[in-house]
Amino acid sequence: AQKVTQAQTEISVVEKEDVTLDCVYETRDTTYYLFWYKQPPSGELVFLIRRNSFDEQNEISGRYSWNFQKSTSSFNFTITASQVVDSAVYFCALTSGTGNQFYFGTGTSLTVIP
Amino acid sequence: EPEVTQTPSHQVTQMGQEVILRCVPISNHLYFYWYRQILGQKVEFLVSFYNNEISEKSEIFDDQFSVERPDGSNFTLKIRSTKLEDSAMYFCASSEWPVSSPLHFGNGTRLTVT
Repeated sequence: AQKVTQAQTEISVVEKEDVTLDCVYETRDTTYYLFWYKQPPSGELVFLIRRNSFDEQNEISGRYSWNFQKSTSSFNFTITASQVVDSAVYFCALTSGTGNQFYFGTGTSLTVIP
Repeated sequence: EPEVTQTPSHQVTQMGQEVILRCVPISNHLYFYWYRQILGQKVEFLVSFYNNEISEKSEIFDDQFSVERPDGSNFTLKIRSTKLEDSAMYFCASSEWPVSSPLHFGNGTRLTVT
């Protein structure tokens, strides 16, 4: 069975602090894909990143970075020097196998305080 | 950048009525999806659609729901005999390929059943 766990329900940080959002996944498939989505207060779901199970290289995009560790089944997301515009709910998601369903975590609500 | 468009943005209906939510996926995408998000909760898979037929559906997607691609551009979700618990944000999404491609979501239709 596929499952994504985001244990942090809500996080508050002061602007310019770094923050890490945790994501732990479960799957029996050897080929799978992990995603992060951002849902700002306006409600849309914005794709941030995709990572496949064969690529464990960390990725950096501006202030965003992602740490994929198969040994711990984690795909954590770090925002460096957070800004108020980063305030949103962030969802981690997983796909694998022959099905095309995305399994979403319950989301982490990030509030960046000015 | 091409985007998924959904109409209406907000739909209010009385319990027992039928509603049709409309979506225009990205034009070169072949896979279409409906997800829903009850307020403050996780994003849940409803159904995926490819080549004019349902490819996968969840337990939520019972006989009350149906999907259709009536022409070359629109993708619709019909909910018959709506119930109070159908109140949610409904997201349409599309992707180039199943599993590995990210989902591109529309801005959602907020359905309120009174």
